[in-house]
Amino acid sequence: DTAVSQTPKYLVTQMGNDKSIKCEQNLGHDTMYWYKQDSKKFLKIMFSYNNKELIINETVPNRFSPKSPDKAHLNLHINSLELGDSAVYFCASSARGAGNTIYFGEGSWLTVV
Amino acid sequence: EDKVVQSPLSLVVHEGDTVTLNCSYEVTNFRSLLWYKQEKKAPTFLFMLTSSGIEKKSGRLSSILDKKELFSILNITATQTGDSAIYLCAVEAGGGSQGNLIFGKGTKLSVKP
Repeated sequence: DTAVSQTPKYLVTQMGNDKSIKCEQNLGHDTMYWYKQDSKKFLKIMFSYNNKELIINETVPNRFSPKSPDKAHLNLHINSLELGDSAVYFCASSARGAGNTIYFGEGSWLTVV
Repeated sequence: EDKVVQSPLSLVVHEGDTVTLNCSYEVTNFRSLLWYKQEKKAPTFLFMLTSSGIEKKSGRLSSILDKKELFSILNITATQTGDSAIYLCAVEAGGGSQGNLIFGKGTKLSVKP
């Protein structure tokens, strides 16, 4: 019944590795997002996809790449992980159009050691 | 640059107290303002406000938006320890078919027994 689900929930990995976080939504939404929450709890948008088209791409390193195989999935792939990538990553989705509520997943805790 | 500012950043109260959390914003093409409650997992949606002066209420929580003065408040009456959380204010802004969601840094509320 989970509307927006992310896996894995916890991930500990070494510097230099490549990892992916998967996200799926069953709400029939057109737009999906990735947010990064830093140690100070500040949420910042990284990407959003609408019908497989990248709409917003904030100034994130190109080591981060979103991949959307279909409208219900938006995976986040990270190459050459660095210590500063340690954070909680939230996936979210919303219906297309202005003013629609954004629904969040439960977050993926990434720790780079 | 679009920004959302919340105050106070942290707040400690005792059960039964009433609290008011503030959110001010400066954005281009305002669409809506949202309040979220974040505990240990993902932010959970509380309210979405689009019109000035119309109070939204859910139990002990209520919120109102002032689009002229560019702020919103979130009130919590008769606080309980379960209200302890970070409260996030976010503003959806921007042009095009899909706006951007800009978060404030949150207000950390601690309710003591």
